[in-house]
Amino acid sequence: DQQVKQNSPSLSVQEGRISILNCDYTNSMFDYFLWYKKYPAEGPTFLISISSIKDKNEDGRFTVFLNKSAKHLSLHIVPSQPGDSAVYFCAASHSGTYKYIFGTGTRLKVLA
Amino acid sequence: EAGVTQFPSHSVIEKGQTVTLRCDPISGHDNLYWYRRVMGKEIKFLLHFVKESKQDESGMPNNRFLAERTGGTYSTLKVQPAELEDSGVYFCASSRTNTEAFFGQGTRLTVV
Repeated sequence: DQQVKQNSPSLSVQEGRISILNCDYTNSMFDYFLWYKKYPAEGPTFLISISSIKDKNEDGRFTVFLNKSAKHLSLHIVPSQPGDSAVYFCAASHSGTYKYIFGTGTRLKVLA
Repeated sequence: EAGVTQFPSHSVIEKGQTVTLRCDPISGHDNLYWYRRVMGKEIKFLLHFVKESKQDESGMPNNRFLAERTGGTYSTLKVQPAELEDSGVYFCASSRTNTEAFFGQGTRLTVV
């Protein structure tokens, strides 16, 4: 049973517009969430994280929102750029463990 | 600062053979992790070292997989004997305490 789900395998967005990537989780013990970006033939690169004591974290063009009651988080990229085209993975963990549970990823394509 | 490095980047072996993957973490990172991505699915946790000790090996598929981290520096992951279903991309990651993990570029293993 998959504890972290990214239900959209792909997403296309026009350059300059907002990209919204979604992630749902089932384990209420998760208290730390991360987004990683992955280019082909490279390893995942850390993008942004959020602790369960917050509902929003912002870093430049990237903002992560956490809705604990809905067990849902989202990554907003504004404005989207062609260089943002990559696969985005959502990951979760809980206190006492360093193990990340990853979603299956969403392929984002930003069109110039 | 050098990132996480993995060797080799690709390996093609026959079923029944042995393969050893190597990971050099970022200097000073006590935590080292192995993950695997099979057939474009989610990235799955294999195990976690703290220095030279195995902290969590709950994700290791079976006893054909052996991970070591002698001296708390680099780590090896040996698969013996390899089976077809072991094919995938093996990622190593490292982190300091309570910080996000940094991933290597991965080793693509193909068992034929």
